[in-house]
Amino acid sequence: GEDVEQSLFLSVREGDSSVINCTYTDSSSTYLYWYKQEPGAGLQLLTYIFSNMDMKQDQRLTVLLNKKDKHLSLRIADTQTGDSAIYFCAESSPMDTGRRALTFGSGTRLQVQP
Amino acid sequence: GAVVSQHPSRVICKSGTSVKIECRSLDFQATTMFWYRQFPKQSLMLMATSNEGSKATYEQGVEKDKFLINHASLTLSTLTVTSAHPEDSSFYICSARDMGGNSPLHFGNGTRLTVT
Repeated sequence: GEDVEQSLFLSVREGDSSVINCTYTDSSSTYLYWYKQEPGAGLQLLTYIFSNMDMKQDQRLTVLLNKKDKHLSLRIADTQTGDSAIYFCAESSPMDTGRRALTFGSGTRLQVQP
Repeated sequence: GAVVSQHPSRVICKSGTSVKIECRSLDFQATTMFWYRQFPKQSLMLMATSNEGSKATYEQGVEKDKFLINHASLTLSTLTVTSAHPEDSSFYICSARDMGGNSPLHFGNGTRLTVT
């Protein structure tokens, strides 16, 4: 089955850039997502990228996709203390009609030091 | 953007009782909604896929008689935890996708269930 892996923890200083990495195994992945989860809350969609794209930038967020290596990264520029949260990588594959649930990585806890 | 509303946000109940959690898509229609469970400091595990007008599809190991899912309309799915036990205590999160196509999944804010 599908597998999505992430490193568990990342610590950066405020103002630095953060890079969170993710690898996946399903070569038929169509969409790849980054979600943010703050303590006790649900998941907030940050950004997503279609599998035929290499890069997508949205304000402070940059997503890079290396489809050959099945590697996805999320770069947060000028990281702020409010960016401290758990970041989940997820992928969506064509499955049986209409289903297309997401497979999530284990989540990366980002800690921003003031 | 698309909003998914989930209620209640937190519930404490006694063992043996049943708890219903609602998931609503507020500004879009969703033929399919997904229910996830998240244990502390762990990732999300898909429990079941809720299909409007038909039976839910449960993941392996999830008891369909314990976690009753009803998707009565294009904007509402409910998860009922029946005869709750302390081991059912968890964070339950629903999600939905706009039926318009390959749009991203949007998540509710989750329900923290504590069974005493």
